Amino acid sequence: GQQLNQSPQSMFIQEGEDVSMNCTSSSIFNTWLWYKQEPGEGPVLLIALYKAGELTSNGRLTAQFGITRKDSFLNISASIPSDVGIYFCAGFNYGGSQGNLIFGKGTKLSVKP
Amino acid sequence: NAGVTQTPKFQVLKTGQSMTLQCAQDMNHNSMYWYRQDPGMGLRLIYYSASEGTTDKGEVPNGYNVSRLNKREFSLRLESAAPSQTSVYFCASSGTVGYTFGSGTRLTVV
Repeated sequence: GQQLNQSPQSMFIQEGEDVSMNCTSSSIFNTWLWYKQEPGEGPVLLIALYKAGELTSNGRLTAQFGITRKDSFLNISASIPSDVGIYFCAGFNYGGSQGNLIFGKGTKLSVKP
Repeated sequence: NAGVTQTPKFQVLKTGQSMTLQCAQDMNHNSMYWYRQDPGMGLRLIYYSASEGTTDKGEVPNGYNVSRLNKREFSLRLESAAPSQTSVYFCASSGTVGYTFGSGTRLTVV
């Protein structure tokens, strides 16, 4: 089945630094989603991307939908301690089976004050 | 607040015991899902329901059953729990933008 390769697996950064993580797939998606999960909680949607080449921002977060439709990246600028958590990418194809949201294995972000 | 509600939040079972995890959403979504999350494995789909009255297997359905009781509720049942089912279970529902997740059920099978 489809799989997403998300990297890096974990990051340890200093407060104020910028962060970049990405996701690649062997097959195309027509929607890319980025989620954040805090300890003891479920994932929460950060950004949704619907069009190849699309660049979307949500505060200090910026995500892009790759031109090939097989990849996406998420950048966090000027990190703060509350950015700590696990970030998941997810690819989705509308139409067909409703079980089509495929998740990456996550990037665990730690921010040192 | 609108969202997905899961119960219980924590559960410890003995091997062979059964239990049902409950999930309800109040967003009038058609589709609902059950995932399990294990360290290093991300989120894996167990079962989903595209609409009331329908259910389908996901990536890891063995050892589980589901019931879509009505549009709001989607339950996950473990008939005979095994230690390999120790995990965090998330219910989700989907509308027009992405999935909304519950806060999870942490299940330990001893």
